[in-house]
Amino acid sequence: QSVLTQPPSVSAAPGQRVTISCSGSNSDIGNNYVAWYQHFPGTAPKLLIYDNEKRPSGIPDRFSASKSGTSATLAITGVQTGDEADYYCGTWDGSLSVVFGGGTKLTVL
Amino acid sequence: QVQLVQSGAEVKKSGSSVKVSCKVSGGTLSSNGFSWVRQAPGQGLEWVGGIIPVIGMTKYAQRFQGRVSITADEATSTAYMELSSLRSEDTAVYYCASSSSGYYYYYLDVWGKGTSVTVSS
Repeated sequence: QSVLTQPPSVSAAPGQRVTISCSGSNSDIGNNYVAWYQHFPGTAPKLLIYDNEKRPSGIPDRFSASKSGTSATLAITGVQTGDEADYYCGTWDGSLSVVFGGGTKLTVL
Repeated sequence: QVQLVQSGAEVKKSGSSVKVSCKVSGGTLSSNGFSWVRQAPGQGLEWVGGIIPVIGMTKYAQRFQGRVSITADEATSTAYMELSSLRSEDTAVYYCASSSSGYYYYYLDVWGKGTSVTVSS
């Protein structure tokens, strides 16, 4: 049982926009920055978003994110087949323990 | 750019221990914080613990307390994660990840390729 709640799966057709939600509490998301990771099975996870909405160098602006209260959202516009992966949100709690969402599998139809 | 090179796959017996290493190249150990994250077959990412080498601070996930030890050796630029009293449920890929912020709990911007640990009875 993950501390942060994400939908198990989402789907979108190529070119469409898709969003992935991440719900937490005042103990975690409500008081700390959120990061998002992209994970292709069998490879190392990749940082997509940090500080709620910032993109590391090299991450296309098709990926964006926001945070409001105790929830965060990742948006992918112009979805491509190469975006088919698992996406995780992460933050930390008051005891400085890292917490992740359960992960959301994006299927590109 | 920092790169993390992890040690190779391990096969262990139930009740034994495993120690996984994570060598930093292209940067310094002390300027980063490190987390260890695992993924069991068919499961999501699970945080195991973290370390801030420059102040010697460690933090472990509640469920691993007493069974895990995370250390860092500045001389060899290597971080380690040792897990003891292994059981079949510990079979997973273990990732080392670093944060250029210096804090293990902040965003993890560089990840190792993972080390497969298989626990058999």
